[in-house]
Amino acid sequence: QLQLQESGPGLVKPSETLSLTCTVSGGSISSSIYYWGWIRQPPGKGLEWIGSMYSSGITYYNPSLKSRVTISVDTSKNQFSLKLSSVTAADTAVYYCARHHGGWSDPWGQGTLVIVSS
Amino acid sequence: EIVLTQSPGTLSLSPGERATLSCRASQSVSSTYLAWYQQKPGQAPRLLIYGASSRATGIPDRFSGSGSETDFTLTISRLEPEDFAMYYCQQYGSSPLYTFGQGTNLEIK
Repeated sequence: QLQLQESGPGLVKPSETLSLTCTVSGGSISSSIYYWGWIRQPPGKGLEWIGSMYSSGITYYNPSLKSRVTISVDTSKNQFSLKLSSVTAADTAVYYCARHHGGWSDPWGQGTLVIVSS
Repeated sequence: EIVLTQSPGTLSLSPGERATLSCRASQSVSSTYLAWYQQKPGQAPRLLIYGASSRATGIPDRFSGSGSETDFTLTISRLEPEDFAMYYCQQYGSSPLYTFGQGTNLEIK
């Protein structure tokens, strides 16, 4: 059964770069029929897609975040990563990684809370 | 950008009742790319319905999805206690690649 697990610092200072990794187990990240993405959810609010990528390296980003986001993949470790630069308090959220198939996401990681604060 | 508007914002029902949740798109959405998720407090969203009407693996048949173009519906035929949660619709394909509705909170009456 495929599982995804987010990891990374839970506290990031304003103006710094948020870095998270998603480790995939129970399946290969190199599969050509899936792609992989990040979604976030500010406390008490709804879901926002951040970006997605194929294992080939093709990426798609939310235009609202595009200037600050980088998603990359490490197939040797079966991981993909998120970097979000110049963070502010508005970036405080639970960050989820997920596998995409067609137009939907399944499964999701359990999520990790990242707080932006000095 | 396609905006998804879910209604009602909060739905108060009792176990055993039928729940009807609406998702309206600001522009036509391909049925292939409309999904529904359930989220319980402190948990990640769980895929319920994809392709507007196909149940995901392991989802009970009391959950059903329908609709086309700009109007989509999630129906729960007989509510079980574990069904009380937040529900989100999501579309794929228009920039941004994925957008979500603001959610419907299904609460126990």
